[in-house]
Amino acid sequence: GQQLNQSPQSMFIQEGEDVSMNCTSSSIFNTWLWYKQDPGEGPVLLIALYKAGELTSNGRLTAQFGITRKDSFLNISASIPSDVGIYFCAGGTSYGKLTFGQGTILTVHP
Amino acid sequence: GAGVSQSPSNKVTEKGKDVELRCDPISGHTALYWYRQRLGQGLEFLIYFQGNSAPDKSGLPSDRFSAERTGESVSTLTIQRTQQEDSAVYLCASSLTGSPLHFGNGTRLTVT
Repeated sequence: GQQLNQSPQSMFIQEGEDVSMNCTSSSIFNTWLWYKQDPGEGPVLLIALYKAGELTSNGRLTAQFGITRKDSFLNISASIPSDVGIYFCAGGTSYGKLTFGQGTILTVHP
Repeated sequence: GAGVSQSPSNKVTEKGKDVELRCDPISGHTALYWYRQRLGQGLEFLIYFQGNSAPDKSGLPSDRFSAERTGESVSTLTIQRTQQEDSAVYLCASSLTGSPLHFGNGTRLTVT
């Protein structure tokens, strides 16, 4: 099925560093969303983007909906140990069906 | 309840047996989705319900997979004659139309 290309696959950083990850697609999406998943739990929504070019922040997180509607990035500033987890991008259709990236595994060393 | 509830949280079954997975969405959410997540992978779409109807079931991998929703609430995903390749976490999500999906914690299915 349709896939999003999410990179990097994994990141190992020091506490306090900034992090950037991105997703690209060959298809256009109506929405872009970023989720975080902790072990044994379902994905939790971090940021939702609804408009091409939109730049949205949620605390230390900032995400952008690419102007071509085929890409998005997520930045995390001043990382802390609890940022550890798997981050997924997802592109959405008009009725909410999501196509997910493969995930970025984030490890933060204190 | 406050969130999407799934049961059981874990299920171990023998190859060839049938299993039923249950999802209780957030009250009032008209849209309901089932996804599958294989180990170390992203989520794969299985089926979408709007009310009790399933306008998109394009992600169901074979005719061994079926799902239903009743009362615009509870949904069950049934896998018949399970195979080892069916081992995965099955996630349910619900939403109001046009709003982001809220996920449950999933059912981890292991087929031995």
